[in-house]
Amino acid sequence: QVQLRESGPGLVKPPETLSLTCAVSGYSIGRDSYWAWIRQTPGEALEWIATIYHKGSTYYNPSLNGRVSITMDTSKNHFSLHLYSVTAADTAVYYCARPRIAPSGHYFDFWGQGTLVIVSS
Amino acid sequence: QSALTQPRAVSGSPGQSVTISCTGTSSDVGGYEFVSWYQHYPGKAPKLMIYSVTERPSGVPDRFSGSKSGNTASLTISGLRTEDEADYFCCSYAGTYTIFGGGTTVTVL
Repeated sequence: QVQLRESGPGLVKPPETLSLTCAVSGYSIGRDSYWAWIRQTPGEALEWIATIYHKGSTYYNPSLNGRVSITMDTSKNHFSLHLYSVTAADTAVYYCARPRIAPSGHYFDFWGQGTLVIVSS
Repeated sequence: QSALTQPRAVSGSPGQSVTISCTGTSSDVGGYEFVSWYQHYPGKAPKLMIYSVTERPSGVPDRFSGSKSGNTASLTISGLRTEDEADYFCCSYAGTYTIFGGGTTVTVL
């Protein structure tokens, strides 16, 4: 069973960088796979942030205006999110998930429980 | 990138059926057969219930079914059970990104 667990600081000061890590167990992230970050701001819909392919290709939500970076470390079997120049609007529950992308479908089959990050001075 | 539109809440008695709608546009829901649905208990990891509009992953009860007509997808829960009380959100591929619905709270009366 694939399991994902987010970790990182619960409080970040503006305009610092928000950095989160997603530890994956039960699956090697170096295998043919994609990995993603998604967030939910209070009272709003979920928002896809970024996706990384095991070969290193990255895809970002253009609404974040280039403030985001997704990386992976196959030796530690984890991947990370870095969100730069944060503001209070970046306060959200951040989830990591595994997208399944194929001609037969695009969906997220495993998710972490989410971690709340508050941006406040 | 506007979120997909879902009703905030639906409710039903045990044994009844409820349907949750998810309305988008021809650029997302209407343009691809890639709508998925997730069940979410607060504080827990969301769980995939339906993918590719109608497909159920292994282990998901057949009480859960999905459909789509035009720009609106739907999730139907038949034979409602108390454990179905949770939040449900939809998701659609939209070409270069993925878009989600605002979520619907299902209450079992």
